Amino acid sequence: GAVVSQHPSRVICKSGTSVKIECRSLDFQATTMFWYRQFPKQSLMLMATSNEGSKATYEQGVEKDKFLINHASLTLSTLTVTSAHPEDSSFYICSFLAEETQYFGPGTRLLVL
Amino acid sequence: SQKIEQNSEALNIQEGKTATLTCNYTNYSPAYLQWYRQDPGRGPVFLLLIRENEKEKRKERLKVTFDTTLKQSLFHITASQPADSATYLCALSMDSSYKLIFGSGTRLLVRP
Repeated sequence: GAVVSQHPSRVICKSGTSVKIECRSLDFQATTMFWYRQFPKQSLMLMATSNEGSKATYEQGVEKDKFLINHASLTLSTLTVTSAHPEDSSFYICSFLAEETQYFGPGTRLLVL
Repeated sequence: SQKIEQNSEALNIQEGKTATLTCNYTNYSPAYLQWYRQDPGRGPVFLLLIRENEKEKRKERLKVTFDTTLKQSLFHITASQPADSATYLCALSMDSSYKLIFGSGTRLLVRP
């Protein structure tokens, strides 16, 4: 149980374009989910928390207009990186909250050229 | 702000031995602490959760201890196997928001 998928698993895009990352929970429903990013050899850094049907809450230093989160349903959330730049290249990971525990997706590797 | 310290150096042990990983935190105690396993290029996988009023938790070959006086958690893998080789992350949750603060992880290498 508690399977989470992410799509795509990796994406390469040109600077200035937008990229959408999809996160789905396959076998459970969750009201709350989280988006993280992880730079090489660093820890996961929380970007935002979202509750289904509500606006996402962003961590300090994360631009909400750049990282658009749409928590469409209890099993689906998307993160759109708008006008991506090379410094946005990172490993993006989503998680769904179920009974105090977060279940993570496999991650999306974004490379912005 | 809360800081989490995990040994950045890899832990290299022989198969069959017990691996012990350390997680230290500063400031005030978390509501609970979790351990995750992360393989290269993959998302973390939940292993164990221990609350601030618990001293020890076990699950199969895994054991976690929590000492709020020392501000430390220890994570043990007994009878280690090469398949246990991965990075192990410590994460703290400070309140009912369930947000997690992650350590940078310790890489474990189990030699056959």
